[in-house]
Amino acid sequence: TQLLEQSPQFLSIQEGENLTVYCNSSSVFSSLQWYRQEPGEGPVLLVTVVTGGEVKKLKRLTFQFGDARKDSSLHITAAQPGDTGLYLCAGQGGGTSYGKLTFGQGTILTVHP
Amino acid sequence: NAGVMQNPRHLVRRRGQEARLRCSPMKGHSHVYWYRQLPEEGLKFMVYLQKENIIDESGMPKERFSAEFPKEGPSILRIQQVVRGDSAAYFCASSPAGQGTSQYFGPGTRLLVL
Repeated sequence: TQLLEQSPQFLSIQEGENLTVYCNSSSVFSSLQWYRQEPGEGPVLLVTVVTGGEVKKLKRLTFQFGDARKDSSLHITAAQPGDTGLYLCAGQGGGTSYGKLTFGQGTILTVHP
Repeated sequence: NAGVMQNPRHLVRRRGQEARLRCSPMKGHSHVYWYRQLPEEGLKFMVYLQKENIIDESGMPKERFSAEFPKEGPSILRIQQVVRGDSAAYFCASSPAGQGTSQYFGPGTRLLVL
């Protein structure tokens, strides 16, 4: 069974601060996806990383996939109140786990003005 | 382009009734996935389908749950004889291919069993 440990579970910061969310596993994933989910809505895809060591930037968000494709991080620079929400990482594996996503527990981010 | 469509958005059923949840994938997507989000829990995979085929149903409960994705029309997740423990948000996602491609989620169906 593949597991993704996401940390921290809760994060409360002031506007302008930086933060990092981590996703770790003992399993290798063929790709890893980051989502943001608002209450009452479905997860919205932020980025997909597929290559070990890959770094992708989306405005103030930086995503990194570990060299061994077992871990990933999301870094937000100069957080804003609009960044508040639930952030989810999800790994897609190979072999018998073909296709399906394994989700982390999520990080609830609150950015105070 | 329209995103993944799910209906109904909210569904209330009494114990023992049947629930049918529908999902229309994004245009051009032929792969559909169903996930369940129980209260205070994370998203869990249920089933992966392509047109007229079930590829992986390893996350589906053994009884009362079934899924299909016919040649024409939406994918259907069917829950027979619902129980209170089935109350959850059910999400559908679609992708243009299988492994290695991004999955895009619909808004979900919130099922409440009374």
